[in-house]
Amino acid sequence: EAQVTQNPRYLITVTGKKLTVTCSQNMNHEYMSWYRQDPGLGLRQIYYSMNVEVTDKGDVPEGYKVSRKEKRNFPLILESPSPNQTSLYFCASSLRTGGNEQYFGPGTRLTVT
Amino acid sequence: DQQVKQNSPSLSVQEGRISILNCDYTNSMFDYFLWYKKYPAEGPTFLISISSIKDKNEDGRFTVFLNKSAKHLSLHIVPSQPGDSAVYFCAASLIYYNQGGKLIFGQGTELSVKP
Repeated sequence: EAQVTQNPRYLITVTGKKLTVTCSQNMNHEYMSWYRQDPGLGLRQIYYSMNVEVTDKGDVPEGYKVSRKEKRNFPLILESPSPNQTSLYFCASSLRTGGNEQYFGPGTRLTVT
Repeated sequence: DQQVKQNSPSLSVQEGRISILNCDYTNSMFDYFLWYKKYPAEGPTFLISISSIKDKNEDGRFTVFLNKSAKHLSLHIVPSQPGDSAVYFCAASLIYYNQGGKLIFGQGTELSVKP
């Protein structure tokens, strides 16, 4: 089954404790992206990757890091989480960039206290 | 600055009637527009898209209309069904040559279809 998986689905952590949210897709997609969803703001792009070893900032990259060492995986790293990073996070992938539909993972709800 | 706006946070419609969800944008360089549907505790799923060179695209009960002069698009659902109750996101695509591309999302509209 074609899918995007994220782990964990729920995470409660404390300020400053490094964490990683994993994302994996099995569709051989080149393009992957991370979004955060906040009330009244919709989905905002954090980082995206056009292919292996090619990543770039989205609209809200501050406080996040990503890596793309393999085509299927695109982890999101919070080196020192803060309460304003409490949000619902989605990973997405698509065959190419731009107008191609993106396939989204189920989401990770992160709470930073 | 919100480049893609959905000004109605919610919409309630009777089953069998038409649902019209609206979206406005500011950047005339957007080349594709997409609608996504999201149920609680799930990721958004692609619904329908339209190229900026077209003004209408239809897929079953779903039709998207694009008015470039007004920088406005709308999603029509006819007839509406209770299973259509979800949050709908409008998104616009911007391709930068050799720099990848991005999707810019609106705030979402929560549609409730009442039996």
